[in-house]
Amino acid sequence: GQQLNQSPQSMFIQEGEDVSMNCTSSSIFNTWLWYKQDPGEGPVLLIALYKAGELTSNGRLTAQFGITRKDSFLNISASIPSDVGIYFCAGQRGYSGGGADGLTFGKGTHLIIQP
Amino acid sequence: GAGVSQSPSNKVTEKGKDVELRCDPISGHTALYWYRQSLGQGLEFLIYFQGNSAPDKSGLPSDRFSAERTGGSVSTLTIQRTQQEDSAVYLCASSPGLLLNNEQFFGPGTRLTVL
Repeated sequence: GQQLNQSPQSMFIQEGEDVSMNCTSSSIFNTWLWYKQDPGEGPVLLIALYKAGELTSNGRLTAQFGITRKDSFLNISASIPSDVGIYFCAGQRGYSGGGADGLTFGKGTHLIIQP
Repeated sequence: GAGVSQSPSNKVTEKGKDVELRCDPISGHTALYWYRQSLGQGLEFLIYFQGNSAPDKSGLPSDRFSAERTGGSVSTLTIQRTQQEDSAVYLCASSPGLLLNNEQFFGPGTRLTVL
């Protein structure tokens, strides 16, 4: 099935550094989402974006919904050890009447933090 | 518990055998989703239910895959005549409804290994 183009695939950074990752798509989405997945767990939602151009923050996390509706980025500032994990972007399309179906995911960004 | 639960957590089976994977959604959530996560890949959307109904089954990888939901609650994903390429983590998610702003909450997944 279709997947989003997410980059980078992995990041090796020092604790305290800022992190940036992004996703692009050839088609439009109505919603962009960013999830984090820890080993043996399901993904957990970090940030949801519902409007083109929207910039949203959640603590040290900031994400933007691209103006073309075909891309999004996630920034993490001042990384800490618990930020380690796999980060996924996901897009969702809506239908007239407000309905929506399953999410389309990127392949993930592995974040590894060196103390 | 209050979250989405899945059973079994791990399943090892022989090629050609049938398997059933179970998902217990969050109580009151009308929408339920199944995803597949192959090693090193993002999540691939398989099917969703609104109540007991699955409007679109086109995401299922082959006719060996089927899913049902009863009583608007528990769902089972059945894979018949399993193949080695079916090996993956199968994740279930539930949400209050099908609206774009309804967050999907994921279970921990079932890791399926086909020998």
